[in-house]
Amino acid sequence: DVKVTQSSRYLVKRTGEKVFLECVQDMDHENMFWYRQDPGLGLRLIYFSYDVKMKEKGDIPEGYSVSREKKERFSLILESASTNQTSMYLCASSLYVQGADQPQHFGDGTRLSIL
Amino acid sequence: AQSVSQHNHHVILSEAASLELGCNYSYGGTVNLFWYVQYPGQHLQLLLKYFSGDPLVKGIKGFEAEFIKSKFSFNLRKPSVQWSDTAEYFCAVVRNRDDKIIFGKGTRLHILP
Repeated sequence: DVKVTQSSRYLVKRTGEKVFLECVQDMDHENMFWYRQDPGLGLRLIYFSYDVKMKEKGDIPEGYSVSREKKERFSLILESASTNQTSMYLCASSLYVQGADQPQHFGDGTRLSIL
Repeated sequence: AQSVSQHNHHVILSEAASLELGCNYSYGGTVNLFWYVQYPGQHLQLLLKYFSGDPLVKGIKGFEAEFIKSKFSFNLRKPSVQWSDTAEYFCAVVRNRDDKIIFGKGTRLHILP
């Protein structure tokens, strides 16, 4: 069974801090994703990655960056946290199969509060 | 831009009622379609998916969805809901040429015991 592990379930940080959210998957998936989930807005894609050291902007990349130094790990970075980044952050991974998009497997989420 | 619309934001039903949650997408080409579910306090998980073939797809826990290409729809159905179906449901679409998945805004389903 695929396991996507997010390092923290709950996190509280202060405005202006640099925040790191870590995600690890154990199924050798090529694709990894970071979303934020807000009530009434559903899931919005922040960044995704198809391979090590590769990254692509999603729909709302502003204020975020990512790092994928190893295949199994995908980090989301808030360079200078702001209160509007208080949210639930979800990491997901999927297998790459050419011409057939595979389902994404999600972690439990990190509920981040910026004070 | 491609979009996914879920018509109902909140749905409240009694146990044993029939369920249909609407999902429409805007892209006209070939698509892959998904329904995900998030039970309270749990992570998002796949309920069912459509890639090709029979447009009526059966998923876990008695759910099914029908892909109607002419209507750009992929509605989720269950003939008789249970209290344990209380959750948030997300429809999602991926174009074959583009690996970026687009999620709908979700439908919160409350089942009254």
